[in-house]
Amino acid sequence: ETVMTQFPATLSLFPGERATLSCRASQGITSNLAWYQQKPGQPPRLLIYGASTRASGVPARFRGSGSGTEFTLTISRLQSEDAAFYYCQQHGDKPPTFGQGTEVEIK
Amino acid sequence: QVQLQASGPRLVKPSQTLSLTCTVSSDSISSGGFYWSWVRQRPGKGLEWIGNIYHSGNTHYNPSLRSRVTISVDTSKNQFSLSVTSVTAADTALYYCARSNAAAGTDSDYVFRHWSPGTLVTVSS
Repeated sequence: ETVMTQFPATLSLFPGERATLSCRASQGITSNLAWYQQKPGQPPRLLIYGASTRASGVPARFRGSGSGTEFTLTISRLQSEDAAFYYCQQHGDKPPTFGQGTEVEIK
Repeated sequence: QVQLQASGPRLVKPSQTLSLTCTVSSDSISSGGFYWSWVRQRPGKGLEWIGNIYHSGNTHYNPSLRSRVTISVDTSKNQFSLSVTSVTAADTALYYCARSNAAAGTDSDYVFRHWSPGTLVTVSS
C-alpha cells in the first residue's frame, strides 16, 4: 500500500500568516491526493481532491498543489477558525491511505 | 444534502463481533452512483479505510482487515452495515461511515465527500 507522510507534525502561526503543509507519498500517485480538515469532535471535512480541486464551499484561501509524490496544502491569511488537524489521503491506489496529520495552531 | 448516521453498541468484549449500521438520509442508496464506506480513527492514530459497498452488493476491503470484516447493504432500509469479528483492544476507535462517488468501471473514486459523526466503539471486558 502507499504510505503517506505528512510534515511538520505541528504548525503554530499567527492570524494572517501563511501555512504550508506538506505530504509525501511512498510511490507516485499522479494527482490523486485529497486534503481533509478535522476539528475536535467533528468528522473530517473534504477540502481538496485531485491535488488542487477545491471541494464545494471551501474558501479560496485553501490551495492544493503538487503531483507524483510531493504535495502541498497552502492556507493563505490564516484565520482563527482554521485551527484544526489536516490530513492528506491518496485516492489513486487501493487501499486509500491517509497521512498521520498536521496540527495547525493559531497563536 | 445527504446525511449519514452510524449506530450500534458502544462497548464490545474482546473476541466478540463489532457491529455498526449506517443510516442514510436525503439520498437513496439504491439510486446508485455512490460507494458507501467505513473509516475508523484509532486513538492517537490516523484514519484507516476499512472497506466499501455499492448498492448492488459489490464490496472492496482493506487487505489489512479483510479476513475479519464484512460490509452489507439493506436498500429497503437505506442502510449499510459493518461487522468486525474477533475484536481486540486494537479495534477501539471512532468509526465513521462515508460516501464517495462511483468511478468509471466498478469501483469508487475514494474521495470521501460526506461523513457521519464519529461513533466511539470501545473493546473491553
